[in-house]
Amino acid sequence: DAGVIQSPRHEVTEMGQEVTLRCKPISGHNSLFWYRQTMMRGLELLIYFNNNVPIDDSGMPEDRFSAKMPNASFSTLKIQPSEPRDSAVYFCASKGFYYGYTFGSGTRLTVV
Amino acid sequence: DQQVKQNSPSLSVQEGRISILNCDYTNSMFDYFLWYKKYPAEGPTFLISISSIKDKNEDGRFTVFLNKSAKHLSLHIVPSQPGDSAVYFCAASSRDDKIIFGKGTRLHILP
Repeated sequence: DAGVIQSPRHEVTEMGQEVTLRCKPISGHNSLFWYRQTMMRGLELLIYFNNNVPIDDSGMPEDRFSAKMPNASFSTLKIQPSEPRDSAVYFCASKGFYYGYTFGSGTRLTVV
Repeated sequence: DQQVKQNSPSLSVQEGRISILNCDYTNSMFDYFLWYKKYPAEGPTFLISISSIKDKNEDGRFTVFLNKSAKHLSLHIVPSQPGDSAVYFCAASSRDDKIIFGKGTRLHILP
């Protein structure tokens, strides 16, 4: 099992550009979560999906952020347009039947 | 407002001694609590958990204590080892799937 796979590992982009982060959950896991980690706020839940359906997106900071899960094996988090304050590490996690998530290694986003 | 609070950003402990990491929560609907450990450049990994029907859960050197009346839990690591140096996140969940995390405590194990 390859675990939760996130790409890219690092992304540096200019302010105003569109950024797309990708996640492949563990096969058979039916819940997928996007988190953002910053020094100030720790690990914040942005959005989560259950069986590919968005359940709670109350953590998405603004309309510039959007997330999709077109099928059980793929999800994207898009920021358009990106701003310097979006710089953070973005984690994807998936969950199967039992409590506890498996996290990916994260994408470190830097917006300059 | 933070539903899960870790008030100590960092903690230093001598190798071989006990490390105690604390966590408070505000939402009385939480019924499951977890600790995650995170190394640099890696995602958090699950360490230990406890259900609200228990007050203690032990796994090797790691023990989690839950005090529901005080809405407080703690993670004890004994004896502390150099490989325990990491950021530890306290987390809580209610009946839905989502888990709410604290800001984390950076643990330094001193030689």
